[in-house]
Amino acid sequence: NAGVTQTPKFHILKIGQSMTLQCTQDMNHNYMYWYRQDPGMGLKLIYYSVGAGITDKGEVPNGYNVSRSTTEDFPLRLELAAPSQTSVYFCASSYPVSSGTYEQYFGPGTRLTVT
Amino acid sequence: AQKITQTQPGMFVQEKEAVTLDCTYDTSDQSYGLFWYKQPSSGEMIFLIYQGSYDEQNATEGRYSLNFQKARKSANLVISASQLGDSAMYFCAMRDIKLGNQGGKLIFGQGTELSVKP
Repeated sequence: NAGVTQTPKFHILKIGQSMTLQCTQDMNHNYMYWYRQDPGMGLKLIYYSVGAGITDKGEVPNGYNVSRSTTEDFPLRLELAAPSQTSVYFCASSYPVSSGTYEQYFGPGTRLTVT
Repeated sequence: AQKITQTQPGMFVQEKEAVTLDCTYDTSDQSYGLFWYKQPSSGEMIFLIYQGSYDEQNATEGRYSLNFQKARKSANLVISASQLGDSAMYFCAMRDIKLGNQGGKLIFGQGTELSVKP
């Protein structure tokens, strides 16, 4: 199993541009998440999904969009990038809480700079 | 609202000694899980240990143990016999695990940077 994979690993974006961060998991997890980590801080939830076709906002959703057309993929879209979106982005996945297994598995992260 | 507080921005420990990283939490839920993650300088998030709110025994995983004091709402991480490779950021996190919960997102603390001295 590759686990959770993210592309790209690094990217520099110009202000006002848009891009999509890719996330794929091969563990057949229903739940998927996008977090951002600003320097010296913990992770904050942007969006999450409990299954294909279902998404919901987290703590810091402004400036982002997501979709979940398959169980495996959960792309994060940045529209009209701003310097405040400079951060490290982590994708994660897990089984449903009802499974009794609670760990979230994280991807390696995407380091994004908006200038 | 749920909240995690880590009051130690940085800690130093001598190699081979034990160290305790503090974590306190706030929640009105009865069913929750507490996690510790390690983030080395390479940036990945590494799961270390998990404690459920109904678990009576403190969790242990190798050199890691979680000192869970429910009444005090604390979940401190104890690393025994520190190694140079333990130098990293450590995050405490909490997750609502009650049945019927949608999403089960993790709430993170701000982290503690641990430096192990040779």
